[in-house]
Parts: sequence; structure tokens; C-alpha cells
Amino acid sequence: EPEVTQTPSHQVTQMGQEVILRCVPISNHLYFYWYRQILGQKVEFLVSFYNNEISEKSEIFDDQFSVERPDGSNFTLKIRSTKLEDSAMYFCASSNRANTEAFFGQGTRLTVV
Amino acid sequence: RKEVEQDPGPFNVPEGATVAFNCTYSNSASQSFFWYRQDCRKEPKLLMSVYSSGNEDGRFTAQLNRASQYISLLIRDSKLSDSATYLCVVNKNAGNMLTFGGGTRLMVKP
Repeated sequence: EPEVTQTPSHQVTQMGQEVILRCVPISNHLYFYWYRQILGQKVEFLVSFYNNEISEKSEIFDDQFSVERPDGSNFTLKIRSTKLEDSAMYFCASSNRANTEAFFGQGTRLTVV
Repeated sequence: RKEVEQDPGPFNVPEGATVAFNCTYSNSASQSFFWYRQDCRKEPKLLMSVYSSGNEDGRFTAQLNRASQYISLLIRDSKLSDSATYLCVVNKNAGNMLTFGGGTRLMVKP
């Protein structure tokens, strides 16, 4: 069964450092997303990406965040200067059409120290 | 009012029991509705989409009431493996942003 894969599974970084989280969406999907979940809280939308551009973003997705699809398979989330409050589980997801369910990767646990 | 609201639980039920979860959403323009399950420290996994006419998948039945902005999930004959957090998820407009409820925790006991 096709699945979304994410690397690394766990990343520890120092405050102020840049991190890049990587994702390989399901191969025939066209819509890509990043969500995050702070421990004990609900899953929150960050950004959606379609046709090589951002289609929607939340208030959380400020100038410190960026996304890229550098080649035909990878989808990355970059956090330029990490803060303690960026510590969370980051989920990549993809879907094959608009306004439908999304399929999630296993997540990257980001710990900022 | 929260965009998607759920009773956090936990619901503690014995194996074989029937359990129902409810969810309300605030945006009447919402178009798509889903139930996901999430095991501890794992990713959300799609359980089922929710259609206006109601739909069933094995032991799971989902209902949607657009007038009341209310979604339900019924689990019959609960198994130990059903223990998880159940997430009510709404796509509120023609875009692709999914809005998650806080989840309802279910614990099925032997």
C-alpha cells in the first residue's frame, strides 16, 4: 500500500538553528501538506502546496517557515531559526485531489533545546 | 466557539460494547467530513469519510447532520484494538485545509 514517508523520525536541534524536514508524498498525489501537533494538543494545519506553489497557509506558518518541492518526489519544510515553541510532531500529508481526505506520514518529532 | 469540538473522554468501555462519539463544527460552509484515528504518538489514520446519507464500514457507522452541524461515529462490538483517540476532521471550504478536533480517547478493556 502506498504511503507517505518522512525523515528523520526524530530531530533534536539547538534554538536558533535551521532545520529541514523531509517528506516523500504518495507518488500520484498532487496536493501536499504540513501539519504539526504539539504534545497533548490537537493537530494543526500549517500549509498546503499544489502546482509548485503554496495554496493555503495558517497563521502559524510565518516567515520562519518555508516549503519546497526540489524535485519530483521530495517535499520539504524548512524552519529558519527554530524556537523552543517549535518543538512538536510535524506530519506531512498528501492527497490526490482537492477537498478530500489526506494521508499522513509517520511524522518527525522535532525537539528544540 | 471552537471550530471542531469533541468530548475529550476518556470513554472506558468493555469489549463487545457499543460506543458513540459526537462532534460539532462551527462553519456551516464546511464541505467534507472525516473520522481519523490516532494511536499514541503516531500519525492520524483515516478511518472513514462521512457522507450526508450516513455510511457504514463494518462495525463503524458515521452520520452527518448538516442542519445541526453535528457528526457522529458509532462503534459496535468494540475490540481491544479499537483503543485509540478518534479525531473528527472537517474541510471547511473548497480549499484543502483540514481542521481537526481535539479528539476523543477510547479505552476498550477486557
